[in-house]
Amino acid sequence: SAVISQKPSRDICQRGTSLTIQCQVDSQVTMMFWYRQQPGQSLTLIATANQGSEATYESGFVIDKFPISRPNLTFSTLTVSNLSPEDSSIYLCSVGGQGGINEKLFFGSGTQLSVL
Amino acid sequence: SQQGEEDPQALSIQEGENATMNCSYKTSINNLQWYRQNSGRGLVHLILIRSNEREKHSGRLRVTLDTSKKSSSLLITASRAADTASYFCATANSGGSNYKLTFGKGTLLTVNP
Repeated sequence: SAVISQKPSRDICQRGTSLTIQCQVDSQVTMMFWYRQQPGQSLTLIATANQGSEATYESGFVIDKFPISRPNLTFSTLTVSNLSPEDSSIYLCSVGGQGGINEKLFFGSGTQLSVL
Repeated sequence: SQQGEEDPQALSIQEGENATMNCSYKTSINNLQWYRQNSGRGLVHLILIRSNEREKHSGRLRVTLDTSKKSSSLLITASRAADTASYFCATANSGGSNYKLTFGKGTLLTVNP
């Protein structure tokens, strides 16, 4: 199993500013994932954070808007840039289990972002 | 196409009753997973069923998988007020990237004491 510490747990930001979310894992993991959950909706994968290389973004998400850092195997950050009210969502980091392909995911407790 | 469509969208039952949630998907899968989310926070993994399995149990949870119908169901028996949460199915597509799950829209379960 993996224990994930994600912070901040919530924030209220002004339009045009940025928010950086941190995700710390208690063990080394190859891949970390960032998801967005818009109000009342399901989870949508933003990107996969790879250590030592650039993140891999899903369709509809770009690096300029969602820059990601992955400096080591236990830590990642997601920045949501140039905030607008449409960015108000819950952002979740997750990691895969070490049991092999397509095993279960462990999630952080999420960051609830509100943009005014 | 949308993977992992759950129904119903919302379900309200009395404590002690059983709750059944269904999930349909469109493409071939390696496995299907169910997650629980309390009050919009992080998700907790409940159970994973592989494409070559038909039924799996874990405590009060029972999951079935019908790959011919591309559907799965989650049964929670003897429900408790603490089971109140949103439940999501997620599919790992065969031939897809490792760990890349596609989540459904979820079922909001309310268990009334």
